[in-house]
Amino acid sequence: AQTVTQSQPEMSVQEAETVTLSCTYDTSENNYYLFWYKQPPSRQMILVIRQEAYKQQNATENRFSVNFQKAAKSFSLKISDSQLGDTAMYFCAFMKHAGNQFYFGTGTSLTVIP
Amino acid sequence: NAGVTQTPKFQVLKTGQSMTLQCAQDMNHNSMYWYRQDPGMGLRLIYYSASEGTTDKGEVPNGYNVSRLNKREFSLRLESAAPSQTSVYFCASSPDWGLAEETQYFGPGTRLLVL
Repeated sequence: AQTVTQSQPEMSVQEAETVTLSCTYDTSENNYYLFWYKQPPSRQMILVIRQEAYKQQNATENRFSVNFQKAAKSFSLKISDSQLGDTAMYFCAFMKHAGNQFYFGTGTSLTVIP
Repeated sequence: NAGVTQTPKFQVLKTGQSMTLQCAQDMNHNSMYWYRQDPGMGLRLIYYSASEGTTDKGEVPNGYNVSRLNKREFSLRLESAAPSQTSVYFCASSPDWGLAEETQYFGPGTRLLVL
């Protein structure tokens, strides 16, 4: 079975600062994908960034980057130059390479303070 | 391009009532999914349809039925609602099943309250 753990229920950051959200996971799979999803108050689930486990290079998307440590089964999200629109719940998720079922963490509520 | 749409946005039911949640996508995707999100938790898969004409159980299927009406539409039915089914329900779609590199696109959610 796959489990995803987000140990930070709530975090806050000053606007324009950098914040890192933590995620660890447990799996016996060797090939898989990891995701960060953003859920703003509108409740829409929005894909932020995706990492393929067989790629050593960390994924980046503009102000969002990940620190993927496969051996440690860690997948943290760094948000640089935080903006008010980044205020949302952030979910870390796991998916097997051959499959479409997500395994989600419990989420981290991020508040960006003006 | 509307993406994934869900109706209704919000619904209140009494215990034992039935209802159907509707989902439609206009991206010509083969695969569709129903999730539920309970307070303080991530989404959990209820049912999915890998392609038109097929449906399969996910992680938490008890108390639900689904119908893949056509390629565009995938409905979720609660035959006899229970308070434990109070949740936010998300529909999603993806181009194909079994390809994790393909993104799932989520609808805006349906908030269901069972009294």
